[in-house]
Amino acid sequence: EAQVTQNPRYLITVTGKKLTVTCSQNMNHEYMSWYRQDPGLGLRQIYYSMNVEVTDKGDVPEGYKVSRKEKRNFPLILESPSPNQTSLYFCASSYTGFYGYTFGSGTRLTVV
Amino acid sequence: SQELEQSPQSLIVQEGKNLTINCTSSKTLYGLYWYKQKYGEGLIFLMMLQKGGEEKSHEKITAKLDEKKQQSSLHITASQPSHAGIYLCGADIRNNQGGKLIFGQGTELSVKP
Repeated sequence: EAQVTQNPRYLITVTGKKLTVTCSQNMNHEYMSWYRQDPGLGLRQIYYSMNVEVTDKGDVPEGYKVSRKEKRNFPLILESPSPNQTSLYFCASSYTGFYGYTFGSGTRLTVV
Repeated sequence: SQELEQSPQSLIVQEGKNLTINCTSSKTLYGLYWYKQKYGEGLIFLMMLQKGGEEKSHEKITAKLDEKKQQSSLHITASQPSHAGIYLCGADIRNNQGGKLIFGQGTELSVKP
């Protein structure tokens, strides 16, 4: 089944403890993105990648890192999480970026 | 302010009624996407519009992009409880830079039986 898989689905962590949210797609898509969703603010793009080793900042990149060493994986790294990074995170992938994105099921992160 | 404005922010309709959700930008939209989201879950791709004046339909949902490519509408005919959820419009407003999508705030739809 074609899908975008995010792990974990739920995560509660403490301020300052490094964490990684994984994202993997099995559709050989070139484009991958990370978004965060917050009430009243909608979906905001954190980082995106147009291909292996090619990444760029979205609208809210502060406090996040990404890497794209393989086509299928696009992990989101929070080096020192803070409570304002508590949010619902989505990973998405697309064949070209112009023809619709497939979204993962989301990761609900709480930083206390 | 949002680059993509959706209206209304929330909508409650009686089952069987028609409804329309709008998505507006001050910039030209190069690729307009409609998604549906169940609460706390991932986004489901509904439709994509690219050309001015384009209209697409899937089952009871019709989406249109105006000629100027600055406004899109999503119309649901004879709404059903299964249509309930959050509808989001997304767009690439920078031509030839696929990968940088922005989204509206979403419209929360409730359908009363």
